Amino acid sequence: ETGVTQSPTHLIKTRGQQVTLRCSSQSGHNTVSWYQQALGQGPQFIFQYYREEENGRGNFPPRFSGLQFPNYSSELNVNALELDDSALYLCASSLGAKNTEAFFGQGTRLTVV
Amino acid sequence: GQQVMQIPQYQHVQEGEDFTTYCNSSTTLSNIQWYKQRPGGHPVFLIQLVKSGEVKKQKRLTFQFGEAKKNSSLHITATQTTDVGTYFCAGPGSNTGKLIFGQGTTLQVKP
Repeated sequence: ETGVTQSPTHLIKTRGQQVTLRCSSQSGHNTVSWYQQALGQGPQFIFQYYREEENGRGNFPPRFSGLQFPNYSSELNVNALELDDSALYLCASSLGAKNTEAFFGQGTRLTVV
Repeated sequence: GQQVMQIPQYQHVQEGEDFTTYCNSSTTLSNIQWYKQRPGGHPVFLIQLVKSGEVKKQKRLTFQFGEAKKNSSLHITATQTTDVGTYFCAGPGSNTGKLIFGQGTTLQVKP
């Protein structure tokens, strides 16, 4: 186990709704990155948080937003859900914002109907 | 934009056969990482290569980083059923500096 926990593990939402996914990083890790993994694809980088500030963003619209808290846990919020948002959402924690070994959580499987 | 490509997409082998997956980046990478994702699981870090031409071994797994630092390979000798899963390479993005993953190679091993 990596020590990175995500909640919930599964979620079903209706198109147009909003969702919040949560991630607790590994102890001592100050950096959290979020990825979206569609079925049969590699993870796609959404954004990264380092010491409570957004530190880089991938090609995702503004309705994808996030937070990092003083204890380095993090949230991913998605507004106005679309069917194509259905995917596995992965949180990865690391020590430092530079590209180091990433420890992934088990993911949240989001289904938008 | 920057791309990381992997081939093949799928590979079916008989247990005991060897397996290789190849990773190519459209740009030079400062490092490359490899991850394994079991069916229904999450990516698990295997290794990071940093130096040009670097070769690292983990038991039956051999990882190589190309001289130009634009390609990499993972070779598994004498596959076992426990090797089943999808193997991803990932490199730092040139714009974001964060990880860009290949689409993965899914390995099936027949006992």
